Amino acid sequence: SQQGEEDPQALSIQEGENATMNCSYKTSINNLQWYRQNSGRGLVHLILIRSNEREKHSGRLRVTLDTSKKSSSLLITASRAADTASYFCATGGGSEKLVFGKGTKLTVNP
Amino acid sequence: EADIYQTPRYLVIGTGKKITLECSQTMGHDKMYWYQQDPGMELHLIHYSYGVNSTEKGDLSSESTVSRIRTEHFPLTLESARPSHTSQYLCASSESTQSPLHFGNGTRLTVT
Repeated sequence: SQQGEEDPQALSIQEGENATMNCSYKTSINNLQWYRQNSGRGLVHLILIRSNEREKHSGRLRVTLDTSKKSSSLLITASRAADTASYFCATGGGSEKLVFGKGTKLTVNP
Repeated sequence: EADIYQTPRYLVIGTGKKITLECSQTMGHDKMYWYQQDPGMELHLIHYSYGVNSTEKGDLSSESTVSRIRTEHFPLTLESARPSHTSQYLCASSESTQSPLHFGNGTRLTVT
């Protein structure tokens, strides 16, 4: 059964702007992970945030987690054309297997 | 990029053929996974393994089978391919069930 669900499904912005993607989930989790997928490639892990953490940074990425609302957001600051990709959240819980959402397709226009 | 390799990268075959998709990792990970992903869609877990001689079916029913005879190798086999099997197949591995996954670049399968 699907756990994480990203919003929006697609996002188009100009280079230099910030991009924000959201992920909602349904059951309790141990951690939430964000991945990037370039067209026709495998997924690349970006960041993992544990259920007892509220915010995490990695370079231009900022992830927040609100367990009371069962939601997370991924912010990419000062976006670049190379950030064009699909972004997936994945939740890990008691089932032990990660469950992926449908992803947000981000297009950064030069 | 991750040290996990999938071959072939692209495969076009006719209906009824038997195929094996290869997946190997050099990280010594016990946990390995196969996902199926249609273009622009979410990933569906079809098989996973937590170690040698251990394989389980995933959340999405699949007619494929897997084996795990060696830690580094997790091949997926379709005995008789059908057009409905056309999809991208992604292999992944992880150190533990809560660790980040390392993905291969996938095999894009087309069955005519």
